[in-house]
Amino acid sequence: GAGVSQSPRYKVTKRGQDVALRCDPISGHVSLYWYRQALGQGPEFLTYFNYEAQQDKSGLPNDRFSAERPEGSISTLTIQRTEQRDSAMYRCASSLHGPKANSPLHFGNGTRLTVT
Amino acid sequence: DAKTTQPTSMDCAEGRAANLPCNHSTISGNEYVYWYRQIHSQGPQYIIHGLKNNETNEMASLIITEDRKSSTLILPHATLRDTAVYYCIVPRGGGSQGNLIFGKGTKLSVKP
Repeated sequence: GAGVSQSPRYKVTKRGQDVALRCDPISGHVSLYWYRQALGQGPEFLTYFNYEAQQDKSGLPNDRFSAERPEGSISTLTIQRTEQRDSAMYRCASSLHGPKANSPLHFGNGTRLTVT
Repeated sequence: DAKTTQPTSMDCAEGRAANLPCNHSTISGNEYVYWYRQIHSQGPQYIIHGLKNNETNEMASLIITEDRKSSTLILPHATLRDTAVYYCIVPRGGGSQGNLIFGKGTKLSVKP
């Protein structure tokens, strides 16, 4: 079946602009996660949802970053007033059950964000 | 997450078994050990996880020591396509917090 889908695949934006990154999880998956990955490093947690409820946003770097999953399916990660340090690969993952059930994460191929 | 320690890099000959070690000496009784890998620029891929018994699936085997302070991921017949960064992860609190810490992992190079 279809995996986790992220769009756009690449996004180049100018400093100060807002960007919205989209994640379409595997159908029926309860939990959705956002991670950020710098070159040569492992992914770093940003936030996660169970259904439409944001359970943990402790990894969001500052208040320019926000995420929503209004209907418990597709999620959007929004970065306002982008800065060059926001440039990274943004990865979305979903899992069939919530974290307490030890469900493995299935990752998408990411959105490469470049802020110029 | 319980702190994990992995070698930075390893080499393996094609067709031979690749044994990737991981130390997790501070693991708690209800915490699982997970392995993911990341091939080039793709998203991380789940491999296997276990609590205390050894586990095997179509991709790999996971051997966890009796005291659970370390584990080994075994790829029985490594191929060139197994070249990747392998991450050993112990989610804190049995995973209830939803926040996986990937660390730097082990870069496995499978050579012909």
